[in-house]
Order: sequence, then structure tokens, then C-alpha cells
Amino acid sequence: AQSVTQLGSHVSVSEGALVLLRCNYSSSVPPYLFWYVQYPNQGLQLLLKYTSAATLVKGINGFEAEFKKSETSFHLTKPSAHMSDAAEYFCAVSRSLFYNDMRFGAGTRLTVKP
Amino acid sequence: EAQVTQNPRYLITVTGKKLTVTCSQNMNHEYMSWYRQDPGLGLRQIYYSMNVEVTDKGDVPEGYKVSRKEKRNFPLILESPSPNQTSLYFCASSLDRVSDTQYFGPGTRLTVL
Repeated sequence: AQSVTQLGSHVSVSEGALVLLRCNYSSSVPPYLFWYVQYPNQGLQLLLKYTSAATLVKGINGFEAEFKKSETSFHLTKPSAHMSDAAEYFCAVSRSLFYNDMRFGAGTRLTVKP
Repeated sequence: EAQVTQNPRYLITVTGKKLTVTCSQNMNHEYMSWYRQDPGLGLRQIYYSMNVEVTDKGDVPEGYKVSRKEKRNFPLILESPSPNQTSLYFCASSLDRVSDTQYFGPGTRLTVL
């Protein structure tokens, strides 16, 4: 069975500081990996995804993530936090070519302090 | 505008009263799915559909039904809702594979008393 662990249900950073949201997965086969962002009262929006191409993936809003197979990790980073980054972030993994096998992490709520 | 719509956005009901949450997409997507989101659990897939008349169970299908009679619509049916189905529900759609982006609806917050 595959699963996703997001370390830290809440992360707080100051505006302009580095954002690091951690995600580890367990999968018996090479996975497809995703980061989604959820703003209050909205649905999820795709930030970026890894689908077996380059291991360093760049997404929207200045976020990027690196797939590290040896560490089974897919951490999300952004060099400089902005107030508008405050949201909940979900890491997800799929073993399938389709979305029928998606597993989501529990989520990390990011707070950005002025 | 490309979008996934859900109705209603908010619903309070009582145990045992049948309800339907509608989902519609205007992107001609093959794949649609329903998730529920609960605090500390992330999103869990309820049902999915690979195409018209093709549906299958996700991880938490008990107490739910779906149908896919048209490509654009994928309603979620709760025949006899119970309090443990109080949750935030999301419909999502994608063209086909994980290389395509999955788009989410705005969510339906359901409370079952």
C-alpha cells in the first residue's frame, strides 16, 4: 500500500523567509507525485507535479519541489514567502497512470507572519 | 471559463434523508472523481469514473452512490445519510492520465444531524 506523510500539520514563517514543507511517501513502484494548494473556502489547485521527467520540478507562484528517490521525499520549497502564500498544502502520490489511485497527505497549514 | 461546478455549496440535513450533490465540468474530461476531506485525514477518494457508464469504488465508498450517464455530470448520491458523512466534499475532473491536470470543484460542505 502506498501512503503519504506530511511532517508538520502547521508551519509558520515570516514574510520573506524560506518556505519548506516536507513530504515523504511510501510506494513499491516509482510514483507520480503532486503538491496542491487550498485557499480558504476553495477547492484544491495544482502547484506542481512529478511524472518521471526532471527530478526538480518548478510550479506556479515560485514554488518548486525535488523528487529524491533515495530519501522517498518530495519536499516543497519557495525561497521567499509572501503573505498570499498562507494556505493549506497537500502532498499526493499515485502509482497509477490515472487518478484512480491517488493518496493524499493530511495537509500542512502554512501561516505567513508580517 | 473552464471549471468544475458543484451544487449545493452548503447543505444541512437530517439522518436518513436522501440527498444528491451535483457535479458538472465543461472541459469534456473523461475522468471524474469524488473526494471527501476530513481534518487530519487529507482527501480520500469515494468513487471515480473513467468514462460514461464506467464507475468504480475508491477508498471510502460505503454509504455513497454515483452515476455517469453523461460525460459532463457525475452526481454523488447519499441514499440514507448518517452523521459520519458530515464532511467537505470535492468533485474533480481530468482529461485522462496523471500527465493531465486534475481540476477541483469549489467543494460542498455537508452536515448531517
